[in-house]
Amino acid sequence: AQSVAQPEDQVNVAEGNPLTVKCTYSVSGNPYLFWYVQYPNRGLQFLLKYITGDNLVKGSYGFEAEFNKSQTSFHLKKPSALVSDSALYFCAVRGSHSGGYNKLIFGAGTRLAVHP
Amino acid sequence: NAGVTQTPKFQVLKTGQSMTLQCAQDMNHEYMSWYRQDPGMGLRLIHYSVGAGITDQGEVPNGYNVSRSTTEDFPLRLLSAAPSQTSVYFCASSPGALTTEAFFGQGTRLTVV
Repeated sequence: AQSVAQPEDQVNVAEGNPLTVKCTYSVSGNPYLFWYVQYPNRGLQFLLKYITGDNLVKGSYGFEAEFNKSQTSFHLKKPSALVSDSALYFCAVRGSHSGGYNKLIFGAGTRLAVHP
Repeated sequence: NAGVTQTPKFQVLKTGQSMTLQCAQDMNHEYMSWYRQDPGMGLRLIHYSVGAGITDQGEVPNGYNVSRSTTEDFPLRLLSAAPSQTSVYFCASSPGALTTEAFFGQGTRLTVV
């Protein structure tokens, strides 16, 4: 069965410092991995995805994520955090198995708080 | 460019009442789905559709019905509301390929009293 784990409920970081939001996954076949961000009272916005190729993928707002197949991880990173990055972040995975609908499964979310 | 539109944004129901949450997309996407978001549990899939006339159950389908008569619309019906259905509901659509991201509506905050 597919699953996503985000081990931290909340991550606190000072503005200007690097940030990491962790994600590990379990899926049949090759994983297709996604990060979304949710601002208060808003829907989810797509940040970036890993499909194949380079393990380091770059996305919106200066975010990037590193795919590590051996550790089944897809951690979200940013070199220098901004207060405006404070939001709820979701990791999601979709398996590549054939037949049937390949559901997008979400982690529980990690709240990122960036302090001035 | 509307994307995915959900109505209403807020709703309060009494236990036992029924209602329909509306979802419409204007991107001609094949796949549509409904999720509920609860604190500490992320988004859980309620029902999904891979095209007009085709629907199936997700992780938490009990108490909900869906239909897909057109590509654009995917309404979610609560048959007899219960307090356990108090949640934020999100509709999403995607073109259908495994590698494409889903697009989400703004959400409906439902409270059942």
